[in-house]
Parts: sequence; C-alpha cells; structure tokens
Amino acid sequence: QSALTQPASVSGSPGQSITISCTGTSSDVGGYDYVSWYQQHPGKVPKLIIYDVSNRPSGVSNRFSGSKSGNTASLTISGLQAEDEADYYCSAHTSGTTLGVFGGGTKLTVL
Amino acid sequence: EVQLVESGGGVIQPGGSLRLSCTASGFTFSTYGMNWVRQAPGKGLEWISYISSNSGGIFYADSVKGRFTISRDNAKNSLFLHMNSLRDEDTAVYYCARGVHMFISGWYFDYWGRGTLVTVSS
Repeated sequence: QSALTQPASVSGSPGQSITISCTGTSSDVGGYDYVSWYQQHPGKVPKLIIYDVSNRPSGVSNRFSGSKSGNTASLTISGLQAEDEADYYCSAHTSGTTLGVFGGGTKLTVL
Repeated sequence: EVQLVESGGGVIQPGGSLRLSCTASGFTFSTYGMNWVRQAPGKGLEWISYISSNSGGIFYADSVKGRFTISRDNAKNSLFLHMNSLRDEDTAVYYCARGVHMFISGWYFDYWGRGTLVTVSS
C-alpha cells in the first residue's frame, strides 16, 4: 500500500491561512470519509486534530479545518500562529488486505 | 485520564525477536480497537497493525506481514506486538495508539503513548 501524497513543506506568515493537501486513490481517500490529520511537534507525540474528514476533537482550535474532494483531502489552518509550526500527517482507511495508510508528512514553517 | 504506556523496546540484532507491550488505563480497554504505529528516526509515521476490540479483526501493513503479530489481553488492559525476523529498517519509535470504539465506524487514533524505541543493529 503506497503512502498518501503530501507536499514536503509549506510556509506562511502569522495571521495567514495555509492549506496542506493529501492525495490518495479511490481505494482510500476517495473511497471513504475516514481521513484524519495529526500534528506533531519535534520530539513530541502526534496529536489528532481532524477526524472523519472534517470533524475536530474537543479542545482543538477552530482554526483547523478539513475537507475532501475526490481523492484529495485538505487541511486548512487559518490565522497562522507560531505554535502551529510542526509536522502534519494525514491518514486514511484503505480497502484491501491492509487497513490504513499515512501520508509522508508536511513540515509547516511559520515565517 | 486516558493513558497508554509502551515498554519492551531496546537494541536487538538483525534476525532477532522482541515483544512490545502497551498498558492502557483511563478507559474501557475492551471496547476499543488498538493500533501500533511506528516512526523511523527523522521519518514519517507508518501504521503497522490493528486489532479489534475482541481480537476478531487483525490487520497488518505489508512491510511487517508474516513477521509481526499483534495481540491483546483485555483482562489485563494490555496490547502486545511480537516482532520476529527483525531488520535494520524496523528501527523506529513504536507507538501504541487507540482506535475507534467498537460501535463506531471510522479511522483515527485519538490517544497515543509516548512510544518505545526499537533499534535493530549488529
């Protein structure tokens, strides 16, 4: 099972909005509304920030939002803050003999 | 408070075996699917295995299929990963991660342990 495709890096200035894409196939991203996103600061444990494409867990800022179109899911962070600088990973349920897959990760730099 | 604590990592020679454990607390362990996710040094996350709440559903990533075995003991709130035929490329931090509740359909990991480092090296 191939990893989902994410840009290696994105950047933005404080206050701006950025979007990170996550491209898969009809067997994963496009086939189910089971896409999740994780934030990982250096040396820290990953944190769930979006599940089921667009739902936010309790306690996650509403500056984080998710969407999906076809085989591509997207994470948008609005009102960028310095603390948003981290690695972001998407994950999706897959059909077949495995169950799920992660994207390669995107490093967000806040300029 | 949900807590997941991994143990069992260490340095092991190629071809060797190791058993990882994850002890859960703060939730009804027997009602959640559980996962192992790993992260090689400086690399991204890789999902490697899932076990359903009653152990009736078990899945593996192709990279570990036939070498790793996931299991759980609901009476002891514990999750295990038996790793055989270890390779250099299995070197990673191994995280225990909670999946969805047994009555919910979905794919996400809402709680993670701090991880245990496995180093495969001669």
